[in-house]
Amino acid sequence: AQKVTQAQTEISVVEKEDVTLDCVYETRDTTYYLFWYKQPPSGELVFLIRRNSFDEQNEISGRYSWNFQKSTSSFNFTITASQVVDSAVYFCALINAGGTSYGKLTFGQGTILTVHP
Amino acid sequence: GAVVSQHPSRVICKSGTSVKIECRSLDFQATTMFWYRQFPKQSLMLMATSNEGSKATYEQGVEKDKFLINHASLTLSTLTVTSAHPEDSSFYICSADIRYQETQYFGPGTRLLVL
Repeated sequence: AQKVTQAQTEISVVEKEDVTLDCVYETRDTTYYLFWYKQPPSGELVFLIRRNSFDEQNEISGRYSWNFQKSTSSFNFTITASQVVDSAVYFCALINAGGTSYGKLTFGQGTILTVHP
Repeated sequence: GAVVSQHPSRVICKSGTSVKIECRSLDFQATTMFWYRQFPKQSLMLMATSNEGSKATYEQGVEKDKFLINHASLTLSTLTVTSAHPEDSSFYICSADIRYQETQYFGPGTRLLVL
């Protein structure tokens, strides 16, 4: 069975600070996909990134960056120069590419990020 | 691209009534659609997986007679909460999967309040 752990329940920062959201996963499959979603107060989940298990390159998109390390089963998310609009709940998630759980997203518990002006 | 709509966004109903929620993929055909339930300050809980033209697959503990799912086409899935009770009050959110992309795109969610 797979599992995603986001140990940080809540994080509070002041605008312009950098913040890293941690994500650790467990899976027995060798092929899987990792995701980050943002859920603002409106409730809609916004897709941020997908990473497959064979691609360990880090990725940067504007103020967002992701660090994927298979050796530690981690897929951490960093926001640089945070802004108030970044305040949301962030979910890390995993999909296995095979087996009975194929296609099913396993979510972490979510991290509530609050950015204060 | 990859837009998923959900209707209604909010519904208040009396106990004992049935409520239908629609989930549509607007600009793509969805291989599979998923229905989730989310309680306040909690993560998403998968309720069921539906494929067009076939019966939905429900997760353990989810009553299939309570939560009826119909996947009539590659762009539409509906969830009907039958004989709703206050404990069914929750945030229901659907997602649609694009074939070969292994990525789910989510609708805006439906807040259900049963009085």
